[in-house]
Amino acid sequence: DIQMTQSPSTLSASVGDRVTIICRASQSVSTRLAWYQQRPGKAPKLLIYKVSTLETGVPSRFSGSGSGTEFTLTISSLQPDDFATYYCQQYNGYFPWTFGQGTKVEV
Amino acid sequence: QEQLVQSGTEVRKPGASVKISCKASGYSFTGSYMYWVRQTPGQGPEWMGITNPGGGSTTVAQKFQGRVTMTTDTSTTTVYLEVNTLTSDDTAIYFCARDGITAPGTLDLWGQGTLVIVSP
Repeated sequence: DIQMTQSPSTLSASVGDRVTIICRASQSVSTRLAWYQQRPGKAPKLLIYKVSTLETGVPSRFSGSGSGTEFTLTISSLQPDDFATYYCQQYNGYFPWTFGQGTKVEV
Repeated sequence: QEQLVQSGTEVRKPGASVKISCKASGYSFTGSYMYWVRQTPGQGPEWMGITNPGGGSTTVAQKFQGRVTMTTDTSTTTVYLEVNTLTSDDTAIYFCARDGITAPGTLDLWGQGTLVIVSP
């Protein structure tokens, strides 16, 4: 199985900050990489797919980049709604799809 | 609107089974695959398997093979997840999620989750 490792596990930030989360894959996943946001007590929500394509309705302050084994999620100017946990997910090749362990963005 | 609505919290003893439902509405039920994932507190989601409501085929993660069954009732647009021989390690929130329409392989619509507690 492909292992996904995120860093940091926790990130302390303030409203207006630029935030970057890193996701590394144990082998290449090409561009089959997605990002999700999860608020407490809620299901994850798809933000970005194919590394950098924003899902409909996702604010443009979110962006993604990378390829192969290293990827980043950037929030250009953190808003109050953005304090949540973020997960990367690979969907390349064979099952199982795998997720990172999460990065919690907190005040 | 498009939604997935799951059944409620379940409490089971070790060794028992549980069956969770996920009712889809607002989109073509047989036109999209459905995933099951689970999540324990503080952990990332864990992919359990995928089912094709339109064709009936399923693929279960190796970790769960022999213990997990995914079924579909097209008449009620509902998919089911059954987990047998439960242990305390199966205590988790279980989600159904639709395969991405724009990006197959992603999970673009999620149920609200079903908490399963396994406790003596």
